[in-house]
Amino acid sequence: QKEVEQDPGPLSVPEGAIVSLNCTYSNSAFQYFMWYRQYSRKGPELLMYTYSSGNKEDGRFTAQVDKSSKYISLFIRDSQPSDSATYLCAMVPDSSYKLIFGSGTRLLVRP
Amino acid sequence: EAGVAQSPRYKIIEKRQSVAFWCNPISGHATLYWYQQILGQGPKLLIQFQNNGVVDDSQLPKDRFSAERLKGVDSTLKIQPAKLEDSAVYLCASSSYDEQYFGPGTRLTVT
Repeated sequence: QKEVEQDPGPLSVPEGAIVSLNCTYSNSAFQYFMWYRQYSRKGPELLMYTYSSGNKEDGRFTAQVDKSSKYISLFIRDSQPSDSATYLCAMVPDSSYKLIFGSGTRLLVRP
Repeated sequence: EAGVAQSPRYKIIEKRQSVAFWCNPISGHATLYWYQQILGQGPKLLIQFQNNGVVDDSQLPKDRFSAERLKGVDSTLKIQPAKLEDSAVYLCASSSYDEQYFGPGTRLTVT
């Protein structure tokens, strides 16, 4: 069993839709949770960073962490074609900052 | 602020040949990481440097992969000899505290 599971997609939605991306994990030692966006032929870029259960909002993006269920989500409101990318969840077990990535979900937002 | 620089961007080699990748991190970032991202997967940490010392190389295939970070700035990652399964994007990242900034990667194809 992988430490971090993520549906690879692809997920195709119309412009303006609300997008929900999810990851589950098995290691209860994970303390920090991140979402990265990766455009084709580019390196990942950090979108959201959280270390506690609950919600964190930043513009159109909301990150949700449920440590009791070992489940994290990223919601994108009013999705835009420019949001089309692969979204990677990542987790850190301790202060080493060693990132454990999910396999990524490819998102396509249709105009 | 300039980002993480990597070269070359693309490399095609035959199996059993050797190859080297170069990374120049963001100025002042003490920590440097090399990741391997196989198509359809998330990045996997190969090696982490703190200044010019190795912090974690537990997932580096040391029989064929080597990395160095002389003077605590630039870094090179070498594969010798390459295998077909080494075909991947090799990402370099750097950080000063917690957020990791990724370079564009080097796409390696082994034929």
